[in-house]
Amino acid sequence: DAGVTQSPTHLIKTRGQQVTLRCSPKSGHDTVSWYQQALGQGPQFIFQYYEEEERQRGNFPDRFSGHQFPNYSSELNVNALLLGDSALYLCASSLVSALAKNIQYFGAGTRLSVL
Amino acid sequence: AQTVTQSQPEMSVQEAETVTLSCTYDTSENNYYLFWYKQPPSRQMILVIRQEAYKQQNATENRFSVNFQKAAKSFSLKISDSQLGDTAMYFCAFMTLFTSGTYKYIFGTGTRLKVLA
Repeated sequence: DAGVTQSPTHLIKTRGQQVTLRCSPKSGHDTVSWYQQALGQGPQFIFQYYEEEERQRGNFPDRFSGHQFPNYSSELNVNALLLGDSALYLCASSLVSALAKNIQYFGAGTRLSVL
Repeated sequence: AQTVTQSQPEMSVQEAETVTLSCTYDTSENNYYLFWYKQPPSRQMILVIRQEAYKQQNATENRFSVNFQKAAKSFSLKISDSQLGDTAMYFCAFMTLFTSGTYKYIFGTGTRLKVLA
């Protein structure tokens, strides 16, 4: 059973460019959340997708957008990249079910470097 | 707004000894969940233990246990019989559950734990 997979592993972009990160949730999961983790910090919640809609959002500008596909996979898009967007981007999946105990499973992340 | 505070940036412990990591949080909600996650150098966050706020009994998972003090808004993690593989960054997390079934996590800044041989 594959866990949460993210691609690519590493990415280097320049300021002003746009980037798309991808996430495939753990088999059977229907909810995907995205986090930004700056070096030495805890993950910061960006947003969450369920039933192909953004359901919750953290304090991130509109430059950060996402999408969830019918197969539950998800993309995170960041426009007009800034140096401060350099971070590890984590995807986490879960199942909206009382039995699932609201437990998230994380991918290994995509390391984005903005030069 | 909820906040999670981990006041110990780094800690070390001798192998086989016991260590306690601290976490405090602030919320006005009554129903929430608390978690400890571990992030080894491989970067993948791994769930260590979970606690429902409405349960008074402290959660335990093998060598890991928590001391949940709801009134004090404290949620510490105790690791017994520490092993070299416990070396990692540990994050405390607070989760708000919405009626839709979706949720939101707030993470602390983490405690870097080093287990010494």
